[in-house]
Amino acid sequence: SAVISQKPSRDICQRGTSLTIQCQVDSQVTMMFWYRQQPGQSLTLIATANQGSEATYESGFVIDKFPISRPNLTFSTLTVSNMSPEDSSIYLCSVEGGTVGYEQYFGPGTRLTVT
Amino acid sequence: AQSVTQLDSQVPVFEEAPVELRCNYSSSVSVYLFWYVQYPNQGLQLLLKYLSGSTLVESINGFEAEFNKSQTSFHLRKPSVHISDTAEYFCAVNRGTYKYIFGTGTRLKVLA
Repeated sequence: SAVISQKPSRDICQRGTSLTIQCQVDSQVTMMFWYRQQPGQSLTLIATANQGSEATYESGFVIDKFPISRPNLTFSTLTVSNMSPEDSSIYLCSVEGGTVGYEQYFGPGTRLTVT
Repeated sequence: AQSVTQLDSQVPVFEEAPVELRCNYSSSVSVYLFWYVQYPNQGLQLLLKYLSGSTLVESINGFEAEFNKSQTSFHLRKPSVHISDTAEYFCAVNRGTYKYIFGTGTRLKVLA
């Protein structure tokens, strides 16, 4: 299984500012994923990030609000732009875990509070 | 459209008692089924999965889940819980891709 780290682990930000979250994995992977986990709600996929191509966003998420970079096979960043209190969530990075069952390995998450 | 329902948002249970966390899904096609566990301040970890074959699947720490196609359920059970099982448990499905549908989670609180 892959070991995934995220930075920062938590942050408190002012509305209108932006935060970039980093995700580092200890092995090369083609597919990385970004999720949002809002309080009391299920995990929601924001986008899929493949190295060498533009990220693919899910319905309800746009690149201007959540720009993603994927410069190599072990690293990705997610930026939450022009934040509002509604963006307060846990943001999780995950990576592919093999094609049998399509399981994923998750990072520890970044807890974001917007004031 | 697919959906996953975890009816119980919180389940308190005394140590060494049995527990069942319920999960129902809706899908018109075959799916893969998963339970993930999230310990405090940690990421999600795969607990167990059903892909095909035997409908009863087990984890290494004593949890088991049974796939029931007629009831479209994948309930998670453990005959005797420990304090260390305190965590949030997520049921999830996928249709043979990396696109998951997650339930809203069940917070298991094991009491001494």
